[in-house]
Amino acid sequence: AQSVTQPDIHITVSEGASLELRCNYSYGATPYLFWYVQSPGQGLQLLLKYFSGDTLVQGIKGFEAEFKRSQSSFNLRKPSVHWSDAAEYFCAVTYGGATNKLIFGTGTLLAVQP
Amino acid sequence: DGGITQSPKYLFRKEGQNVTLSCEQNLNHDAMYWYRQDPGQGLRLIYYSQIVNDFQKGDIAEGYSVSREKKESFPLTVTSAQKNPTAFYLCASMSVAGGGYTFGSGTRLTVV
Repeated sequence: AQSVTQPDIHITVSEGASLELRCNYSYGATPYLFWYVQSPGQGLQLLLKYFSGDTLVQGIKGFEAEFKRSQSSFNLRKPSVHWSDAAEYFCAVTYGGATNKLIFGTGTLLAVQP
Repeated sequence: DGGITQSPKYLFRKEGQNVTLSCEQNLNHDAMYWYRQDPGQGLRLIYYSQIVNDFQKGDIAEGYSVSREKKESFPLTVTSAQKNPTAFYLCASMSVAGGGYTFGSGTRLTVV
């Protein structure tokens, strides 16, 4: 079955440190990949998406992600974390067309230390 | 501004009662989705609809029902058959062009 794996349930980083959140997806010929962020008690907000082309994509709030087909990965990065980045982050994938329903990972909860 | 409105934000239900969660969008999106979110389990798909008057079961449809009589609206009914309904419910929509979901701000349902 198609799936998304976020191996880190919880990550803590210091403010100003760099961040990388991992995401692996099950094999698919044409994955469309997304990262969402969720603040407590809120809906999910789209950070960035990858459909095709340049494998390094830029998103909002200073986030970027790199698609690596050989590793079936789509890791999210930020060079310097701010306290306001503390939230839960979800990776999602869809196959066979950008209009298909999304499959979500279980999320990574990010805590930021002062 | 266009968006998705979920109401109410908090909902309390007595055991044995049905309750309906509202989801309205003014984005002119064709597809709409209902997800359930529990701690540590991510988002699980309940029902989805890609066109008016048509909908499909997701991964955890038992104990839930939906309707799609209007493009803008996709209400979810949590029935008494749902054994563990306490959760955070998220509604989302997507345009025919794809590009990912737009989410509502969610409804937290608590059974008392």
